[in-house]
Amino acid sequence: AQTVTQSQPEMSVQEAETVTLSCTYDTSENNYYLFWYKQPPSRQMILVIRQEAYKQQNATENRFSVNFQKAAKSFSLKISDSQLGDTAMYFCAFIKANAGGTSYGKLTFGQGTILTVHP
Amino acid sequence: KAGVTQTPRYLIKTRGQQVTLSCSPISGHRSVSWYQQTPGQGLQFLFEYFSETQRNKGNFPGRFSGRQFSNSRSEMNVSTLELGDSALYLCASSLANSGSQETQYFGPGTRLLVL
Repeated sequence: AQTVTQSQPEMSVQEAETVTLSCTYDTSENNYYLFWYKQPPSRQMILVIRQEAYKQQNATENRFSVNFQKAAKSFSLKISDSQLGDTAMYFCAFIKANAGGTSYGKLTFGQGTILTVHP
Repeated sequence: KAGVTQTPRYLIKTRGQQVTLSCSPISGHRSVSWYQQTPGQGLQFLFEYFSETQRNKGNFPGRFSGRQFSNSRSEMNVSTLELGDSALYLCASSLANSGSQETQYFGPGTRLLVL
């Protein structure tokens, strides 16, 4: 079974600064996907970024980038130029790449990190 | 393209009642997954449907069930509601076109309160 751990329950950052959220995971799988989702107070779960495990290059999406360390099973999210709208709970999630058996559609989530951006 | 929609958005029920939640996936998406989110347990996988078939199920009692229709819309049903069923229920859809997992996109959720 896979597990995802987010060790920072809460973090805060000043507007325009950079913040990094941590995530580690445990799996015996070689092919998988990792995601960061954000959930603002509206509770809508929004995809932030996705990383394929077979890709060595770290994914980036505008102000969001990841540091994917496969050997260390680490997947951190860096938010640059933080904005007030980035205030949300952030979830790290894992899913096996090859669908089959008990992996169909099953995302495994971490416990989340509440990020507050201060003006 | 319209996103995932869920109805109703809010629901209040009493213990022992049953409830049905609905999820309409993004057009063209064939897989629908359901999750329960609570402060204590976090996000937990309920089940996944594809082409009207349940392909995967999480560790929830049989009171939790679901189905998928030919247009990929999905419903989940909870019978004999308990106080602990109070939660945010999220559904997510994905293309599921290939043998590999596709990115899941979430709906706004249904907030269920059991009194």
